[in-house]
Amino acid sequence: NAGVTQTPKFQVLKTGQSMTLQCAQDMNHNSMYWYRQDPGMGLRLIYYSASEGTTDKGEVPNGYNVSRLNKREFSLRLESAAPSQTSVYFCASNRQGNTEAFFGQGTRLTVV
Amino acid sequence: DAKTTQPNSMESNEEEPVHLPCNHSTISGTDYIHWYRQLPSQGPEYVIHGLTSNVNNRMASLAIAEDRKSSTLILHRATLRDAAVYYCILSVLAGAQKLVFGQGTRLTINP
Repeated sequence: NAGVTQTPKFQVLKTGQSMTLQCAQDMNHNSMYWYRQDPGMGLRLIYYSASEGTTDKGEVPNGYNVSRLNKREFSLRLESAAPSQTSVYFCASNRQGNTEAFFGQGTRLTVV
Repeated sequence: DAKTTQPNSMESNEEEPVHLPCNHSTISGTDYIHWYRQLPSQGPEYVIHGLTSNVNNRMASLAIAEDRKSSTLILHRATLRDAAVYYCILSVLAGAQKLVFGQGTRLTINP
C-alpha cells in the first residue's frame, strides 16, 4: 500500500521562484494536511482540508496557498519562495475526526 | 490551543519497559490525547490515542490520569527500533483534526 505519497523528495529553489509540492493518498481519506518542520522543532500546521472542496488556514499559512484538487490530492504552492521557507514539508491524511493520521515521507526544501 | 509538556529526552535499556510522561493541565473536556513518534528522516507515525480511559494496542499502552491533566505512554518492552522522538499531542477538532506538535521527547534505547 502506498499510503501518502509526496513529490518531490528534495528541491532547491532560488529566492523568488515558485513551486508546487504534490501530495496524494490512496486510503479514501476525507481530511488532508500540510505541515512544516524546521530543524530540531516539532511540526507546525500550514493548511488543512477537512473534506473535498474545503481548505482552511493552520498555524503558519503566510506565504503558501493550497488546492484540494480532488479527494486524493492536496497540493501546496509557494508563489515566491523565501529562505525562511527552508524546511521539511509533510503531508498527512486521516479518515475523519479523531482517527489515526498517516504522514508522507516529507519533501526537503532549501531556498537559497 | 491546549499545550503539552514533555521531558526533552529520556534513556532506557533494550527489553525494559519505558514510561514516557506528558502533562496537559489545560486540557479541555473534548480534547483527545494522541501520541505519535518520528524516527530519523521519516514522517511521524501514529502510536495511540485516547480520551478518558486507558487504551492498549499492539504498539503501546496509554494511561490517562483521572483528572486528565497528565498521561503516560508505556512501551512494554523497548527495542532498538523504538528509538525516536515521541510527541504527546492534544488534538483540536475544527472540521478536521488539527494536531499541535510540541518538541517531543527524544527516546534513546541502549543495547
